[in-house]
Parts: sequence; structure tokens; C-alpha cells
Amino acid sequence: DTEVTQTPKHLVMGMTNKKSLKCEQHMGHRAMYWYKQKAKKPPELMFVYSYEKLSINESVPSRFSPECPNSSLLNLHLHALQPEDSALYLCASSQARTPRGAFFGQGTRLTVV
Amino acid sequence: AQKITQTQPGMFVQEKEAVTLDCTYDTSDPSYGLFWYKQPSSGEMIFLIYQGSYDQQNATEGRYSLNFQKARKSANLVISASQLGDSAMYFCAMREGLKGGSEKLVFGKGTKLTVNP
Repeated sequence: DTEVTQTPKHLVMGMTNKKSLKCEQHMGHRAMYWYKQKAKKPPELMFVYSYEKLSINESVPSRFSPECPNSSLLNLHLHALQPEDSALYLCASSQARTPRGAFFGQGTRLTVV
Repeated sequence: AQKITQTQPGMFVQEKEAVTLDCTYDTSDPSYGLFWYKQPSSGEMIFLIYQGSYDQQNATEGRYSLNFQKARKSANLVISASQLGDSAMYFCAMREGLKGGSEKLVFGKGTKLTVNP
């Protein structure tokens, strides 16, 4: 069983919709991440939260808005997306420099129509 | 900047045989960590094995082993006794430390492994 839980698993949204992706972990990890993965490509980092503060934004368009309400939860708010934003969105969490690396959720498959 | 190279877009192996997936890396940091992840069609990234740059021995985890050749900057994954359930995408990744104690994974392009019965 994955120790990082993402909801929903699948999402279809129109370009004028507002939706949110949710991620939860109870491992006490203080770093949480959003990665975007296009089909047949590797994951690419979008955002990093460290101790509930946004520490990295990899030049992501403002139509993606992350939020970390507490140390266990991570949200990604979506607004006015484009069809090219269709992808697998992966949430991950980690402790610093452990051999285990990051724990990933199962991802949300997003389709923008 | 760190870079991971996986030169095999696809690999085929017969069930019960061993297979090696190639990974080379480039970094100027003397301390680094290398990972292999498996991604089945369901999408989840599953951690397989880790190798630290100062580890004296090659990492092993069950049927997975890592052939770490530091001078050649390679970290190949060896899967022994392949099973049908091993069919998936495999990513090699390197850890890059970020401010605040967080870290970023830099991934290679991946290798799609198909295990034939």
C-alpha cells in the first residue's frame, strides 16, 4: 500500500473549471512535492514545500496554485487549464537525505478538455 | 547541473532470465545518491533500490541489484529471475539537495521493460 494518498485518481475538467488535487501523508515528512509527468516522459518537479513553506517553484504557470494547509496535506489548485496540461500529477514526500528517497503517491491522471 | 542518461528506450527479456538496465550520470558533487524506481501502467513510482556515492558495496534488494561503477559514472540495475509483473517503466534518478532540507529527484528518460512468457 502506498503511504502517500492522492485524490482523485482520475479527473476530467474543462478549460473554465476550477478543481483541486489533494495529497496526504502521515509519515512525519517535512518536505512535500508536486511532480508533473507527461506521457512517455519522466516526472518533472513543479513545487516543493519544506516545513509547510513553499521553497521551490520551478517556473510553473500561475494557473497551478499549490497550498500546504498543514504538515500532512498538500493541495494543487487548478484554474483555467489548457489541454496541454493533461498529464499524471504525482505527489511525493521525503525526509532529508535518507536512503529511501521520496515516497510517491499513485498520482492523479488529469485530462483537460 | 546533474544529469541522468538512460540509453535504452525499451528492453525485452524472457521470463526467469536476468536483465540489465543501463544508467549513467553526471555530477560535480562528491556526495550523491542514486535511485531506481519502477512505474507500472497504474502510475505509481515504486522505489526499488538506492546507492550512495560513498557506499563501499553494491546495493542489493531481493531480486534487484545495482552494478555501481563510480569511475565510469554508471549505476546499472540488474533484475534477476524476471517475472511477468516486472513489465513496467524503470527510471534511474539522482538526488539533488535543495534549501531547507528538501531534495529534488532528477530522472532519466526511462526504459520500458517487457517480460515475455
